[in-house]
Amino acid sequence: GESVGLHLPTLSVQEGDNSIINCAYSNSASDYFIWYKQESGKGPQFIIDIRSNMDKRQGQRVTVLLNKTVKHLSLQIAATQPGDSAVYFCAENGGYQKVTFGIGTKLQVIP
Amino acid sequence: GAVVSQHPSRVICKSGTSVKIECRSLDFQATTMFWYRQFPKKSLMLMATSNEGSKATYEQGVEKDKFLINHASLTLSTLTVTSAHPEDSSFYICSARESGPTGGQPQHFGDGTRLSIL
Repeated sequence: GESVGLHLPTLSVQEGDNSIINCAYSNSASDYFIWYKQESGKGPQFIIDIRSNMDKRQGQRVTVLLNKTVKHLSLQIAATQPGDSAVYFCAENGGYQKVTFGIGTKLQVIP
Repeated sequence: GAVVSQHPSRVICKSGTSVKIECRSLDFQATTMFWYRQFPKKSLMLMATSNEGSKATYEQGVEKDKFLINHASLTLSTLTVTSAHPEDSSFYICSARESGPTGGQPQHFGDGTRLSIL
């Protein structure tokens, strides 16, 4: 459904622990998914992406998992650091050019 | 990596003023740029898709006469908020996608423009 307008959920994690941020997408035709990180007062920053023909992709300290059956996407951050504190958005590309953003999750890292 | 520059970063002006925001792709060409609006603690709302050399495509509910978009070159798109009023105060963010196969490349974002209308 329409996700814009909802308040951001918050995830609090102890420094050094792993973080898992979840996202449900709505368009079963979406074939490309992206995770963005947005720090306060800045634009979103690309973290990692995954295409629909994959179910897992790893980057540096981050892993994205895609479950097309239940239309679920997750971002795992290993050994979370204070600098990881930000709002994380998943985005899906379901059409020619249009990308739809999820509601976002605020990650708070507790030192 | 791909860099998108957005200017100005902050604007404070009186009601009735028109404000122009620039979005530039610095090290790549972008046939398509996107303009978003973001309210505090909310997600990004797509306003319009800016296509180089043609008219922008506006999302439902976005007034095209209010938010004028021009994409005159492969590296520059502008958003002009005409006769701005306090309700237009918001965080406006642009993004650009590198030219290439559609649907398979991430958008790169500018750092946004904080618009405050008094």
